[in-house]
Formats: sequence, structure tokens, C-alpha cells
Amino acid sequence: QVQLVESGGGVFQPGMSLRLSCAASGFTFTNAGIHWVRQAPGKGPEWVATMSYDATQTFYAVSVKGRFAISRDDSQNTMHLQMNSLRTEDTAVYYCTKGTGGSSYSASGYWGQGILVTVSS
Amino acid sequence: DFVMTQTPDSLPVSLGERATMNCKSSQSVLYSSNNNNYLAWYQQKPGQPPRLLFYWASTRESGVPDRFSASGSGTDFTLTISSLQAEDVAIYYCQQYYNIPLTFGPGTRVDIK
Repeated sequence: QVQLVESGGGVFQPGMSLRLSCAASGFTFTNAGIHWVRQAPGKGPEWVATMSYDATQTFYAVSVKGRFAISRDDSQNTMHLQMNSLRTEDTAVYYCTKGTGGSSYSASGYWGQGILVTVSS
Repeated sequence: DFVMTQTPDSLPVSLGERATMNCKSSQSVLYSSNNNNYLAWYQQKPGQPPRLLFYWASTRESGVPDRFSASGSGTDFTLTISSLQAEDVAIYYCQQYYNIPLTFGPGTRVDIK
């Protein structure tokens, strides 16, 4: 069955960098659009970034553009979110998700369990 | 940006009764070239990630009980639970994926009256 497992979270100071990873299995990774979605404590989900199946479409939320970078390693069935210049408002549970299609314009059909990123001085 | 609004904020319903909630997009999410509405519904229970219930506005995801139904087109959408069960207590979110940024509604919290 489809599995998405995030790693790389923790507690970080403002201005620091980290890379989240998501190991995918149970589906043909090279056919899937991928999304990162975050959820701050007590808030609703917020879309962060997306990449199409062939990496030709990459988009970011305004709040992270220029600081975050999404990537995929099809040889390892893994997606990443490089997060630079962290801010306290980046504190959230981060989910990697599999798109319902290969495009960036897809719903999030499967979700990882999420990983907490806390940014605090 | 496409702004998604959901009503009501909170929906107390008796077990076995119908629950109906609404989602409205600030702009149409109907793509005329394929006649698809780029609208999804998710269910989120405490401590769990959201779960996709419907996409293309009314296509039920595998494993979703048929007491759940979804409808609508353009800017106005509805999610209905025909007979509320205890396990349906959750927050329900709609999301448009027609336009970047992909945006979620604020959610409707369903609980037992």
C-alpha cells in the first residue's frame, strides 16, 4: 500500500536551515505529482510547495518562495523540502503528500503522518 | 488567490442524522476544457493527517463510505453525511487545486449533538 514517511524535523533557531525528506513506497513514484503541506498548531492545512511528476512544474506559496526548495529523487523514491532562513511562523507539522495526478494541479491523495518543525529562539 | 470559505464553522448533529456543509470559492474552479471542478474534500480527525474523501468535486476516493456524498460546480460545493456515525466526528476541509496557490478552506467542525 502507499506509504509516505517524513524525516528531518526537530527544533531549530530562526535563520537556520534544514532539509525534510519523504520516503515513498507502494506506488509508481515517477508518475506522481508531489506536494508539501503544513499545519500550524490549531490551524488548518496550508499548501507549501508542489512539483509535477517530471519536475517541469514547481510552485511555492508566497510565504516560502525564495527560502524553501522542493526536489525529488526518482532513483530513491524520495522527495525533499530544503528550508532556509527559518522563521518562527514556519513552526508547523509538515506533511508530504502524493498528488491524485501527475500535475502540480492535483489534490493530495495520500499523506504522510507528518513531522513537526519548531522554530524558536 | 482563490479564497475558500466554509459554512458553518461548527456543525453539531445527532447520531443518525444528516450533516450538510458548504464550501464556496471566490472564483470558479470549473475548467471548461475538461469540464472538471478542481475541488477536493478532506476529513481530519485529531492527531491524524487529513484524509482525501472526494476529488473532482464529487469523485469518491476508494474506501470512503457511501454515506458521504459531494456535489456542486463552479463556485459552490456541498459535502453531505447522510447518517452521522460517531467515527465521523472530525474537521472537514475543502481545497481548490485549480490555481496556484492551492488553497484550503478554514474547515467545518462536525461533532455529536
